[in-house]
Amino acid sequence: DVKVTQSSRYLVKRTGEKVFLECVQDMDHENMFWYRQDPGLGLRLIYFSYDVKMKEKGDIPEGYSVSREKKERFSLILESASTNQTSMYLCASSPPLLNQPQHFGDGTRLSIL
Amino acid sequence: KNQVEQSPQSLIILEGKNCTLQCNYTVSPFSNLRWYKQDTGRGPVSLTIMTFSENTKSNGRYTATLDADTKQSSLHITASQLSDSASYICVVSAAQAGTALIFGKGTTLSVSS
Repeated sequence: DVKVTQSSRYLVKRTGEKVFLECVQDMDHENMFWYRQDPGLGLRLIYFSYDVKMKEKGDIPEGYSVSREKKERFSLILESASTNQTSMYLCASSPPLLNQPQHFGDGTRLSIL
Repeated sequence: KNQVEQSPQSLIILEGKNCTLQCNYTVSPFSNLRWYKQDTGRGPVSLTIMTFSENTKSNGRYTATLDADTKQSSLHITASQLSDSASYICVVSAAQAGTALIFGKGTTLSVSS
């Protein structure tokens, strides 16, 4: 079974802090994604990566950056955390083929105080 | 504009009953349609993926249908169980390089005894 592991289930940080969210997948998938999920808004794509050191902006990249130094690891960085970045963050991975499902981690619930 | 609309927003049913969730989309060009189940506090898990040529796909007590002409899909749950209580998310993939996924906001299903 594919496993996508997010480093923290819950995280509390202060405004202005630099925050790192880590995601590791064990199935050698090329594609990796970061989403945020907010009530009433559904999942929104922040960034994705289709290869090591490659990244593409999603729908809401402002205030975020990413890093993919190794194929199995995809990090989301909040450069200077703000209260409106309080959310559930979900990481996913998938093979490059169009008709393959994404596999999600269980999320990190991040609170910015 | 590419959109995915799900209805109803929420639903309460008695254990053992059947139910049907709806998904309408305006995504072009269409590649595939996915249904995910998301338990509270967990990441989404794939139930089915259907391409343009598939009308029906089953996964245990879950049966998804797709009408590509009317751009509608439904997810039918048979003989519901308490463990079916979750959010069900419809996702449509546009026929581009692997990452153009449009998410619905989900239907929250509560199964009571």
